[in-house]
Amino acid sequence: EVQLVESGGDLVQPGGSLRLSCAASGFTVSSNYMNWVRQAPGKGLEWVSVIYSGGSTNFADSVKGRFTISRDNSKNTLYLQMNSLRAEDTAVYYCARAAKLSVIAGRDYTELYDAFDIWGQGTLVTVSS
Amino acid sequence: DIQLTQSPSSLSASVGDRVTITCRASQSIRNYLNWYQQKPGKAPKLLIYGASSLQSGVPSRFSGSGSGTDFTLTISSLQPVDFATYYCQQSYNNPYMYSFGQGTKLEIK
Repeated sequence: EVQLVESGGDLVQPGGSLRLSCAASGFTVSSNYMNWVRQAPGKGLEWVSVIYSGGSTNFADSVKGRFTISRDNSKNTLYLQMNSLRAEDTAVYYCARAAKLSVIAGRDYTELYDAFDIWGQGTLVTVSS
Repeated sequence: DIQLTQSPSSLSASVGDRVTITCRASQSIRNYLNWYQQKPGKAPKLLIYGASSLQSGVPSRFSGSGSGTDFTLTISSLQPVDFATYYCQQSYNNPYMYSFGQGTKLEIK
């Protein structure tokens, strides 16, 4: 079965650190663009970070310089290291796979679109003193 | 950065109604636009990708259209299970930023 399972969410004090994990099954993390998305209580979805299949990364401005994303290919697991945590980082954190979904756009031509087709169940991070 | 603005922010409708939600991008994103459904306490679910392609397993009452800056999600005949919050997302940026709209909450009238 294709699935993602997050863990590591906790209550942490402002300025503290936390590492989230996302274990994948049914597909290979390193062959996909893997993402973290968060949702503050009662708010909308906010994209946080991506690690590409080649290993390069990108971050939302709100977390740049404080969060790092990585993966362990031997464990087929994605991570999010969160440092210098702030109250506004309080959220449910989801990991999600960005699949490249194809659409026939013309004769002998297909277009590929990135879309988040597999999501974990989420893990809650609370930043509070 | 590309901003996505959804309208309306909330919507009340009845079972059987036809409903349309709009997503506007701050610049052209061609048709690199996805739609998701989220129910309380659950992860989002992909409905539409590439502006108009239906994800496998999603009922055909859902459809998407648009290109450039203006996009719509239409539910042709609302079912009780469709009451949820809907988000658009762009995947046009390179390097990717994958930003989301602010969401549209669809409630029962």
